[in-house]
Amino acid sequence: GESVGLHLPTLSVQEGDNSIINCAYSNSASDYFIWYKQESGKGPQFIIDIRSNMDKRQGQRVTVLLNKTVKHLSLQIAATQPGDSAVYFCAERRGGGSYIPTFGRGTSLIVHP
Amino acid sequence: KAGVTQTPRYLIKTRGQQVTLSCSPISGHRSVSWYQQTPGQGLQFLFEYFSETQRNKGNFPGRFSGRQFSNSRSEMNVSTLELGDSALYLCASSLEKGAATNEKLFFGSGTQLSVL
Repeated sequence: GESVGLHLPTLSVQEGDNSIINCAYSNSASDYFIWYKQESGKGPQFIIDIRSNMDKRQGQRVTVLLNKTVKHLSLQIAATQPGDSAVYFCAERRGGGSYIPTFGRGTSLIVHP
Repeated sequence: KAGVTQTPRYLIKTRGQQVTLSCSPISGHRSVSWYQQTPGQGLQFLFEYFSETQRNKGNFPGRFSGRQFSNSRSEMNVSTLELGDSALYLCASSLEKGAATNEKLFFGSGTQLSVL
C-alpha cells in the first residue's frame, strides 16, 4: 500500500557532525512534504517544507532534499547540537486537494556531546 | 501570541468510560485537526474541523468524535474506552486560507490518555 516510511528508526551522532535523516514515500501524486521535530513531552514542531516542484530547500542549519525519481526525501542537519536530539517525522500531502498530511513513523536522533 | 493549548495534559480512565479532550487553537486559526500518537502506529489523523464543520475524517471508529465551536476551539470525545485507546492525542491548528494550501500545522503538547 501507499505509505510514508523512514529507513532508520534511530540515528546516533556526535555533536558537531552533520546528520542525515531519510524518508521514503510511495505516492507519486504527493505534492508537498514537511519535516517535523518532536521533543520529549512536546508536540511536533515544523522544521522545513518543500513542494514537489523543487528538489532542494535550505533553512537555518537544515536542508531538505527531494528526489522524485526514487521517491526519497531527506533532512540534513548541519553541525548537529545536543538540542537537536528528538524524533523527526516526515509527512506528505497526497495532493488532490487534501490538506491533511500523512506522517511517517519517525526517526529518533540522538546527539552525543 | 499563545500557542495551541490542550487540556488536560494527563488523563487516566478505565475501560468503558468516555473522555472529552479540549483544544484551543492559536488566535485567528480556523482549522483544527486531531491526531492519535502511539509507539506502534505513529501519528494517525483522526479528523479536521473548519468553521465548525468536520471537513476530513481519518479511519477511526465512530467512538471517536469531535466538534468545533464558533471561536474555533475544539473538543474530541472518545466513548466506551478501550485499552488500545491509550495514546497521546495531539491537536494542531492552522490559519487555513483555503482547502489546498501549504500552511503549517502548529501542534499542542497533547493529552496523554491512559486507559486502565
